[in-house]
Amino acid sequence: EVQLVESGGGLVQPGRSLKLSCLASGFTFSNYGMNWIRQAPGKGLEWVASISSSSSYIYYADTVKGRFTISRDNAKNTLYLQMTSLRSEDTALYYCARRDNNWFAYWGQGTLVTVSS
Amino acid sequence: DIVLTQSPALAVSLGQRATISCRASQSVSTSSYNLMHWYQQKPGEQPKLLIYDASNLASGIPVRFSGSGSGTDFTLTINPVQADDIATYYCQQSRELPLTFGSGTKLEIK
Repeated sequence: EVQLVESGGGLVQPGRSLKLSCLASGFTFSNYGMNWIRQAPGKGLEWVASISSSSSYIYYADTVKGRFTISRDNAKNTLYLQMTSLRSEDTALYYCARRDNNWFAYWGQGTLVTVSS
Repeated sequence: DIVLTQSPALAVSLGQRATISCRASQSVSTSSYNLMHWYQQKPGEQPKLLIYDASNLASGIPVRFSGSGSGTDFTLTINPVQADDIATYYCQQSRELPLTFGSGTKLEIK
């Protein structure tokens, strides 16, 4: 069974940093591209970042480019999102999702990031 | 960016057909694929893939869900609607970066 378990969320002050993790199981992690997608409270879905299976290709939404860094450790079956210079508008539930071809086939339960003083 | 437009809400009666539309600001189709996908999100849960490449049913999804469309106009159909289908439905395009989602259509029971 495919499982994606996010962790690392919490309350953080504006301008500070936070690192999210997503532990994958139930599939060969190194074979799949992975993504971070977020959802602000009561709002819709926003794609944040993508990373290819071997980390060769990395893409970001303009809203986080230069502040967030997506990475992965295939030996640990773990996806990461390093978030710096956090803003109130980054407050959201952050999901990791496995990308199969062109769609998001599996999603984790999400980890909540709250940016507030 | 490709903007995906969905109606905010749709009310249908149990056992009837629900048709949810998604219009893209530019074509999301290639010569081979219609790069539009649909997700269901129930309150307090993560999104779940329903339909990929406009018309292909994801694994484990009931056959009363179907998708159609090409170019800029796409439709998700639920027929017949069941109580368990109460959720918000999102379309998503993968034709180009940034990957974008529609704002979601909340399905309500009439």
